[in-house]
Amino acid sequence: TQLLEQSPQFLSIQEGENLTVYCNSSSVFSSLQWYRQEPGEGPVLLVTVVTGGEVKKLKRLTFQFGDARKDSSLHITAAQPGDTGLYLCAGADNYGQNFVFGPGTRLSVLP
Amino acid sequence: DAGVIQSPRHEVTEMGQEVTLRCKPISGHNSLFWYRQTMMRGLELLIYFNNNVPIDDSGMPEDRFSAKMPNASFSTLKIQPSEPRDSAVYFCASSLLSRGAGQPQHFGDGTRLSIL
Repeated sequence: TQLLEQSPQFLSIQEGENLTVYCNSSSVFSSLQWYRQEPGEGPVLLVTVVTGGEVKKLKRLTFQFGDARKDSSLHITAAQPGDTGLYLCAGADNYGQNFVFGPGTRLSVLP
Repeated sequence: DAGVIQSPRHEVTEMGQEVTLRCKPISGHNSLFWYRQTMMRGLELLIYFNNNVPIDDSGMPEDRFSAKMPNASFSTLKIQPSEPRDSAVYFCASSLLSRGAGQPQHFGDGTRLSIL
């Protein structure tokens, strides 16, 4: 069974600070996705990373896939209150279908 | 474009009652997923369908849970009889199946289920 761990579990920071959250596993994934979930809504996809070592940027968010495709990180620069939410990583098997979600990092950005 | 539509948004019922959750996936998507989310266990995959066929139901907790997908535009998740520990938010998601890189899953807004 493929399992994903995320750290930290909770993070509360001030607006303007930088932060990094992590997603780790002992398993290799064909691809890994990051989602953000806001209260009362379903998760929304932020990015998919496929190649080991890949780095993708989405405005102030930088995503990296580990060389061995077992881990990933999400770095947010100059966090804003609108970044508040639950950040979930999800790993896919070789067929790109069987997704396993991590427990999430709950981020709170205070104004 | 309409996203994944789930109904009802909220359901409160007494234990022992039958509960039916409904999902309409995005048109053209051929994979459908049912998840359950709780604070304790996070987001758990219950079952997923490809082209209306159940592929993996290993996440379905007990025989009290059943899911169907009679056609490409509709799926149900049924709990009978319901128990208080079934209380959770249930999400439906759909995606376009393609081998290789994971396709994004599009989630509905969920059904918040409370069993008293």
